[in-house]
Amino acid sequence: GAGVSQTPSNKVTEKGKYVELRCDPISGHTALYWYRQSLGQGPEFLIYFQGTGAADDSGLPNDRFFAVRPEGSVSTLKIQRTERGDSAVYLCASSPRATDSTDTQYFGPGTRLTVL
Amino acid sequence: DAKTTQPNSMESNEEEPVHLPCNHSTISGTDYIHWYRQLPSQGPEYVIHGLTSNVNNRMASLAIAEDRKSSTLILHRATLRDAAVYYCILRASGTYKYIFGTGTRLKVLA
Repeated sequence: GAGVSQTPSNKVTEKGKYVELRCDPISGHTALYWYRQSLGQGPEFLIYFQGTGAADDSGLPNDRFFAVRPEGSVSTLKIQRTERGDSAVYLCASSPRATDSTDTQYFGPGTRLTVL
Repeated sequence: DAKTTQPNSMESNEEEPVHLPCNHSTISGTDYIHWYRQLPSQGPEYVIHGLTSNVNNRMASLAIAEDRKSSTLILHRATLRDAAVYYCILRASGTYKYIFGTGTRLKVLA
């Protein structure tokens, strides 16, 4: 079956612009996660959705970052007034249940964001 | 958050076994040990996980020390396609997010 998909695969924008990154999780997965990965580092947690609600947004770096999942499936990560330091690969993952410690997360290929 | 320590890089010859170590001396009784790997230009993918007993699946084996303060991911016969960054992650019972470290970059030599 289809895995997690993310669009666009690459996004180049200018400093100060607004961007939206989309994640399509595996059908039926109730949990969805966003991570950010800088060059040479492991992924860093940003936010977690259980259904439509953000159960934990403690990883969002500041109020320029916001994410939604209005119907409990597709999610959009929104970044306002982009800065060069926002340049990274943004990864999305989904899992069936989330709160089970054996629950596997399935990652998408990521969106590479470059802020000029 | 639970911490793990892994070597930055390792090398292996093709068709030979690979043992990737991970130290997690602060592990609690409810922490599961998860391993993910990330191939170049891809998102991480699940490899294996365990709590106390050694575990085997089609991809790898996980050997967990009796005191649970360390574990070893074993690839029985490394192939060129196994070249990746391998992450050892602790995940507490009832939690949902992974705390990744910098992982071990495995290089497989033909």
